[in-house]
Amino acid sequence: KAGVTQTPRYLIKTRGQQVTLSCSPISGHRSVSWYQQTPGQGLQFLFEYFSETQRNKGNFPGRFSGRQFSNSRSEMNVSTLELGDSALYLCASSPIFRGRYEQYFGPGTRLTVT
Amino acid sequence: GENVEQHPSTLSVQEGDSAVIKCTYSDSASNYFPWYKQELGKRPQLIIDIRSNVGEKKDQRIAVTLNKTAKHFSLHITETQPEDSAVYFCAAKREGAGGTSYGKLTFGQGTILTVHP
Repeated sequence: KAGVTQTPRYLIKTRGQQVTLSCSPISGHRSVSWYQQTPGQGLQFLFEYFSETQRNKGNFPGRFSGRQFSNSRSEMNVSTLELGDSALYLCASSPIFRGRYEQYFGPGTRLTVT
Repeated sequence: GENVEQHPSTLSVQEGDSAVIKCTYSDSASNYFPWYKQELGKRPQLIIDIRSNVGEKKDQRIAVTLNKTAKHFSLHITETQPEDSAVYFCAAKREGAGGTSYGKLTFGQGTILTVHP
């Protein structure tokens, strides 16, 4: 099976702009989670989607939002970008089937805000 | 919410030695504990996981142990090789039956493992 894919891989934006990142899960996986990775804060949970519904949300401001489509693909959006939003954004998919909860990560999108 | 502490933050070993990374968690309801390996510039890769109904799990040179009473779990790597050099993350999550998810996957801060040839 193809792994989790994310687009774009690299992105440079200016403070105040907005950005949309995309994640395609492993075929058959129904859950998609998003994480922000920075050197100082490590891996921080943003939100989790299952069957097009947000099930969990981390402690991030409302500028961070997401959605999931009927084919399980997911997007996350960050509005009014700040310099501190520069990070690697990782998505992970999970089967959530027959007790299988393991998460598999995509390669990430490296976002740089200038 | 859940809090995961991971130690040590850096670990340096000689090739062939064993390496042990330890994590403690705060939420006694957590029941799923994965370990990830992240090489420089690459995605985190799931290397082994354990559920709270099991005390130990092995996969070739790696093993994970879980002590539910003490709320800690450990990663053991035997016969280390230079290619084991990476950042290792532990994590904890509470999962329910039928795919119900009660919480996020909370990660430890990571351990930089360096294996010297």
